[in-house]
Amino acid sequence: SQQGEEDPQALSIQEGENATMNCSYKTSINNLQWYRQNSGRGLVHLILIRSNEREKHSGRLRVTLDTSKKSSSLLITASRAADTASYFCAPPWRTGGYNKLIFGAGTRLAVHP
Amino acid sequence: DTGVSQNPRHKITKRGQNVTFRCDPISEHNRLYWYRQTLGQGPEFLTYFQNEAQLEKSRLLSDRFSAERPKGSFSTLEIQRTEQGDSAMYLCASSPGTGSTKAFFGQGTRLTVV
Repeated sequence: SQQGEEDPQALSIQEGENATMNCSYKTSINNLQWYRQNSGRGLVHLILIRSNEREKHSGRLRVTLDTSKKSSSLLITASRAADTASYFCAPPWRTGGYNKLIFGAGTRLAVHP
Repeated sequence: DTGVSQNPRHKITKRGQNVTFRCDPISEHNRLYWYRQTLGQGPEFLTYFQNEAQLEKSRLLSDRFSAERPKGSFSTLEIQRTEQGDSAMYLCASSPGTGSTKAFFGQGTRLTVV
């Protein structure tokens, strides 16, 4: 399937540090999304990067996309305890004429005060 | 826009009982998805609707699972003869039908089968 695979599975850092999460996928895409999930809650869309973009910023988030390597990274700068969550990349999987989102196991980020 | 709403938020049921969950998507979103998520795992795709048509159902779903979306508005997910392995968080998401796959998720329904 086309699910993204996040790496590392878990990441533990101190407040103020940067957190980098990576995503690999298998087939050609026209965009890739990142989502965040706080414990016991639904997923929240963070950012979408298109295949013709190499880098995109949103606040403290920086996403890169390397279509030649079929990989993406999410950087959270100056992390806060509130950033503690699971992060998922979601490359669209086109099937039956429509796109659906397939999620991997995610990266569990813990930011310690 | 009140977001995607799921009810109930929590459900505890005895093994063998039937349960039904409801999802109210964002109005005017014609795409609706159901996912299941167990602890430590990512959301697992269950089924997809475009308007009232169920376009795909995961092979992982047994015949005990059924979903509907009458009139292309709210959706229900029913699990018959629940088993302990059905215990999970059930997530609903919706997205607009304009080519964007950006999905808006509800808070989920946590099912515990005892």
